[in-house]
Amino acid sequence: DQQVKQNSPSLSVQEGRISILNCDYTNSMFDYFLWYKKYPAEGPTFLISISSIKDKNEDGRFTVFLNKSAKHLSLHIVPSQPGDSAVYFCAARGTGGFKTIFGAGTRLFVKA
Amino acid sequence: DGGITQSPKYLFRKEGQNVTLSCEQNLNHDAMYWYRQDPGQGLRLIYYSQIVNDFQKGDIAEGYSVSREKKESFPLTVTSAQKNPTAFYLCASSNREVRQPQHFGDGTRLSIL
Repeated sequence: DQQVKQNSPSLSVQEGRISILNCDYTNSMFDYFLWYKKYPAEGPTFLISISSIKDKNEDGRFTVFLNKSAKHLSLHIVPSQPGDSAVYFCAARGTGGFKTIFGAGTRLFVKA
Repeated sequence: DGGITQSPKYLFRKEGQNVTLSCEQNLNHDAMYWYRQDPGQGLRLIYYSQIVNDFQKGDIAEGYSVSREKKESFPLTVTSAQKNPTAFYLCASSNREVRQPQHFGDGTRLSIL
């Protein structure tokens, strides 16, 4: 039973355009959400996070939006750059918990 | 330069053999984690430890064992009871505060001979 779902295995975007990566979750007890970026043969690196008390968090070219009623979050990258090509994992954590549940990842290709 | 070091990068296991994956961190983090990644799947939690000499099973602990004798170290043993051990193994650490991201090592790829 996947509690965190990333339904798009891959996404291809032109350089300079917006990349939108989506994530859905089923557990209403999740209150902290994170996005990680992963290059081949490396560990994931933390990108951006959002608490459930917010609906938007922005850091440079990266913005995460949270829609609690729909149990949906998205990561926007504007403008997209070729160096953004990687696998992006959505992750969620419950109240007071240390366990982090990860989605299956979306592979982003940014074409020059 | 703080970080997490996993070794070896590649590891081969013979049938019936136990192997141990090393994970060391110098970030002064209390919590450490082991994840397994299979193709097309997210990271699945094997074990985690919030403090020295204490650890809890994750979602897929069967066939694995861990120890946490030092704050800096959290080795994972893949035992012969783990029937499908071929995967990419990732170690992570974090501060104990809940709203802190995890820092990951670069992983160990385990294969069966």
